[in-house]
Formats: sequence, C-alpha cells, structure tokens
Amino acid sequence: DARVTQTPRHKVTEMGQEVTMRCQPILGHNTVFWYRQTMMQGLELLAYFRNRAPLDDSGMPKDRFSAEMPDATLATLKIQPSEPRDSAVYFCASGRTGLSYEQYFGPGTRLTVT
Amino acid sequence: DQQVKQNSPSLSVQEGRISILNCDYTNSMFDYFLWYKKYPAEGPTFLISISSIKDKNEDGRFTVFLNKSAKHLSLHIVPSQPGDSAVYFCAASSLFNSGYSTLTFGKGTMLLVSP
Repeated sequence: DARVTQTPRHKVTEMGQEVTMRCQPILGHNTVFWYRQTMMQGLELLAYFRNRAPLDDSGMPKDRFSAEMPDATLATLKIQPSEPRDSAVYFCASGRTGLSYEQYFGPGTRLTVT
Repeated sequence: DQQVKQNSPSLSVQEGRISILNCDYTNSMFDYFLWYKKYPAEGPTFLISISSIKDKNEDGRFTVFLNKSAKHLSLHIVPSQPGDSAVYFCAASSLFNSGYSTLTFGKGTMLLVSP
C-alpha cells in the first residue's frame, strides 16, 4: 500500500528557530506539492516540483521558506526563522503526470511556533 | 480573492438520504475538478474527479456534476453513510490549459451523517 510519508508528524518550536519538514513521495511519482492548511486560508499551495525541478513556489514566503528535492525520494520544506504565524498543518502530496492527475497526500506535519 | 468557493461550512444529513455538497469557481481557465475527503489528523484523500469536457462522473455512491456555464460543481452522495462524515474539499486545476497540475482548493464543507 504505497503512501506519502511525512516527518515529523508534530513539531513545537520557539519563534526564531529553524524548522525542517520532510516528505517521501510515492515511488514512481514525478510531481511533489507542498500545501499549508490554516483555518483562515484553507489549503494553500506553497511549492510544486516536477521531476525534482521547482516549477512554482509563488505561494511561498521567499524570505523565510525554502523547498528542495535533493533526490527523487525526498522533498524538504524549511522555515528559517520561524514565526508564530507559520503555525499550521503542512501537507506534502505526490502525483504522476500523464497517467492520472490525482494528488496523494501525506498525513501532514502539525507545526506550532510559540 | 478566492477562486474556488464552498459556501456551506457544514452540512448535516441523515443516514440513507442524499448529501449534496456545492462548489463554485471563478477562474474560467479551470478545466479539471476534484473532490477530496479529509478525516481529522489525516491528509486529504482523493474521491472523484471530472474534466471540463464532461458534465457528470459517477463512481459508486459518489457522483460529481459540472455546470460550466454557471461555474458550479456539486458532489452527490447517495445513500449517505455515517462513515462519510468528514470534511470535503473541492479543488480545481487548469491542467489541460496550462499543463500544470497544481490544485486550488476551496475551504471545505464538513459533512455530518447521523444514524
């Protein structure tokens, strides 16, 4: 049963600290997405990779957020420095172009910045 | 500026009856639409999709209807079951127009199906 995995599941940190969230996409998927869910904004797209290349990160605050795919099995989302307004659930999703266009979501990382 | 709107934050339905969840969109470039279901502490899971060349797609108890002229889609669940209680997200993409498979989500509708 192939699934997207995310670590950590929960993270509590103090303002100003660096936060790194990791995602392992489903093997064989060539697209990876990072979303943030908040009560106010719902699910917002932060970044989009296709074949490990960043295609769209327009939804991401550039000064403090960065997203990378060091290899096909790992995607990372970093926040440095973190702020209380970054508190949210961060989801990673993966998919495969050309076959179907559904995105498969991981369980999310719940981030709390105090 | 919300491009995908789910105007009902919640919906309550009795078991066995029909649940109808609605979604409106404003971007005429959207050509592919999806519904996701989300349980607490889990990620959204794909439910059903429809491309803009169709006006209906059915999968078991779930049917999605698309009205392009009204920029409206709806999800029908018949019959509703208590296990369907979850948050339902409508999502849209300009997949065929732009080649991008990024999704724009609505804020979700919480469905509660009571026995």
